[in-house]
This record gives sequence, structure tokens and C-alpha cells, in this order.
Amino acid sequence: GAGVSQSPSNKVTEKGKDVELRCDPISGHTALYWYRQSLGQGLEFLIYFQGNSAPDKSGLPSDRFSAERTGGSVSTLTIQRTQQEDSAVYLCASSLRREGTGELFFGEGSRLTVL
Amino acid sequence: GESVGLHLPTLSVQEGDNSIINCAYSNSASDYFIWYKQESGKGPQFIIDIRSNMDKRQGQRVTVLLNKTVKHLSLQIAATQPGDSAVYFCAEWEGGENKLTFGTGTQLKVEL
Repeated sequence: GAGVSQSPSNKVTEKGKDVELRCDPISGHTALYWYRQSLGQGLEFLIYFQGNSAPDKSGLPSDRFSAERTGGSVSTLTIQRTQQEDSAVYLCASSLRREGTGELFFGEGSRLTVL
Repeated sequence: GESVGLHLPTLSVQEGDNSIINCAYSNSASDYFIWYKQESGKGPQFIIDIRSNMDKRQGQRVTVLLNKTVKHLSLQIAATQPGDSAVYFCAEWEGGENKLTFGTGTQLKVEL
């Protein structure tokens, strides 16, 4: 497809388990972002990848969270030893990196529920 | 720290009326201010942006106004339609940080 693709769309897991969320950005987009959205809340920045540069991890809430981007395309967000407060929708976005714009293209998100 | 916030959590309007969604911001260093629309179960979708050195920008049925004196941003939707029902987020873009910071959001409900 032409848009940002995320999988799984829904994930239910037990507390303490690890989860992996996948993002396929739009082809040719060099910038990739992960955001977290809790119920009824705004979007919280997690991490940003730009080309081959070191990622900006300043938004990751704890060392249980990590992300990688292989080959400058697909990204995986990993949450280890999940906690109930990790329950949220995890949104991925990509963009053509142009100076001075904030137009990001978002996927539909992965809804994570930690029991 | 710097933040972006919204005045009204819920706005109800009649179909055909104009809608005005407001937002306050605190970071004067932002390069762009952007409005996103998020429909239920979907990711946010870019609507319109405005550069920090402008005070008004018009799109199709939407107008964004920026008042830097009072650090206020608004989104005006003309002739609101049922398809406009969604949560609207204002966001600010810092080019140097390559980061988009979102506000809490306003739920727009269009009544028939």
C-alpha cells in the first residue's frame, strides 16, 4: 500500500511478557517516528530515526523500551517486561525530511493491552 | 517545560455552522504550527500548517490563525460537515529538533 503500515493492529499480552510492534514507512521517506497515545490523550513522542544518523531516543519512557530501524526502512519497537501502564496505541509516522515542516504521515497504530 | 495545550476538550456544532477550535502554546521557538485531525481508530492526518512568521493561512474550508502576541492558535472550519467529526490536535514543529509536539486534543461533534 501507499501509506504507513503497522502490525499487529491489536495486541493483548500478559504483564511481564515482551512485545514487538512493526512499522513499514512510506517508500522513500527517510524520517520515521514512534509516538504513544494513551486513551483520550495526546501523542507522546518516543523515538525518531533519520537516515543513518543516530536515533533520537529522548522520549523513551524507560530502558524497557527500545527500537531499531533496519536498512533505513522497516522499524520495530520492542517493549520488554510489559506493565499495565504500557497499554496504549503506538503510532508510527514517516516523512520526507524537509527543513521547517511538521507534516508527518501516520499509520493506524498498534493497540497494546497489557493484562 | 514547553507545552502545547487546548482550551476546550469538546465542541459541538450544528451541521453547516462554522467551527472554531482553539489552542494555546508556550514555545516561542517553534518554526511551524500544525493542525491534525484524528478519526476514531485511525492515525492523525495532517490538515494545515502555518509558519511562525505568518498570522493567517487558508486551505480548503479551513483557516488557521496564529497570534504570537498571546501565543494562541486557532482552526476555523467553514460549513462544518458530519465528516468533520473527529479529534483535532494542534502541534508545534521545531525544525532543529525534528520533533512534533502535540497538544491534548479537542473532540469536534457535528450535530445533524
